Amino acid sequence: KAGVTQTPRYLIKTRGQQVTLSCSPISGHRSVSWYQQTPGQGLQFLFEYFSETQRNKGNFPGRFSGRQFSNSRSEMNVSTLELGDSALYLCASGSNTGELFFGEGSRLTVL
Amino acid sequence: AQKITQTQPGMFVQEKEAVTLDCTYDTSDQSYGLFWYKQPSSGEMIFLIYQGSYDEQNATEGRYSLNFQKARKSANLVISASQLGDSAMYFCAISRDSSYKLIFGSGTRLLVRP
Repeated sequence: KAGVTQTPRYLIKTRGQQVTLSCSPISGHRSVSWYQQTPGQGLQFLFEYFSETQRNKGNFPGRFSGRQFSNSRSEMNVSTLELGDSALYLCASGSNTGELFFGEGSRLTVL
Repeated sequence: AQKITQTQPGMFVQEKEAVTLDCTYDTSDQSYGLFWYKQPSSGEMIFLIYQGSYDEQNATEGRYSLNFQKARKSANLVISASQLGDSAMYFCAISRDSSYKLIFGSGTRLLVRP
């Protein structure tokens, strides 16, 4: 059974650019959530999607957005990148028994 | 609001010994979930164990067990027979029932000595 797949694994952008990250959850899982991890702020919740609907949103500016498709795959977008957006972005796939499984993450560097 | 506190920034344990990583939580919810994750230096978050607030028995997964004390609001992780590969950051997290919005603690770095 395939795990959570995130692409790309690593990327480098410059300030002002925008980035799109992709996440494919475990087959059969309808919940996808996104987290940002930085050395200073730790792990912070970005958003959660269930059956294409955003169910929860964290305390991030509107530059951070996401969506979920009918096949449960999800994307998150960050526009007008800032240096502080450099982080590990983790996607997680939720089972119907309460467990949450993470992908390997997308490491974004903003120069 | 929910909150997780991990008071041990770093810990050492001798290989083959057991170790307990502390986690206390604060929530006003009646129904919630508690999670433990391992994060090696590669960055991947590896799911270890989950405990629902209404589960009466402590969760166990192989060498991992969650010592759930609801009245004390603690959810300590016990790793038995430590292995060198257990060296990593360990995060405790809490969620509301039926939600995958997790609130994480600051983590505990565990180093297993040979």
